[in-house]
Amino acid sequence: EDKVVQSPLSLVVHEGDTVTLNCSYEVTNFRSLLWYKQEKKAPTFLFMLTSSGIEKKSGRLSSILDKKELFSILNITATQTGDSAVYLCAATIYNQGGKLIFGQGTELSVKP
Amino acid sequence: ETGVTQTPRHLVMGMTNKKSLKCEQHLGHNAMYWYKQSAKKPLELMFVYNFKEQTENNSVPSRFSPECPNSSHLFLHLHTLQPEDSALYLCASSQDEARRQYFGPGTRLTVL
Repeated sequence: EDKVVQSPLSLVVHEGDTVTLNCSYEVTNFRSLLWYKQEKKAPTFLFMLTSSGIEKKSGRLSSILDKKELFSILNITATQTGDSAVYLCAATIYNQGGKLIFGQGTELSVKP
Repeated sequence: ETGVTQTPRHLVMGMTNKKSLKCEQHLGHNAMYWYKQSAKKPLELMFVYNFKEQTENNSVPSRFSPECPNSSHLFLHLHTLQPEDSALYLCASSQDEARRQYFGPGTRLTVL
């Protein structure tokens, strides 16, 4: 059975800290891995990773994929209270259309 | 992102009611999706439509009935739901099934 597992499930840090969120996957015919941020309702897209070892960066956020060890990490440096959210990772599969397999999410809380 | 809208945002219904959720995307996308998000559980894909044709039905009970009259609109018709169907129902769209998905704000459904 295809599955995506995120860790930790929840995390509390203080402003300015650096955090690393983990996502491991076991899927057949893996195509890509996506990261989303969900604050109140709609998940908003962060990154799509398809190639191993190539870091994607957006401001204080960065992510990398390891297709050999089947995991991805999302790093957030100099965290701010606005980073508080649930971070979701999802895997896509070849020949399965738009099906996304989501992990449980990591709930990040950044305290002032 | 306001490219995907959903109505209503909140819905309370009894188990014998019939109601419909509506999703509209203004992004010119060809694929649309329904997801269910229950508390403390991963997002679950329910249905996928590509060019108005259903390409995925993820073993969803028949009390949920999707309808996609055109590429911009997606409905989820609900009847004789159970209390365990209470959840956040998210709609998403993508340019095609291989691209990133854009999510709507969701409908918070409570079944009494």
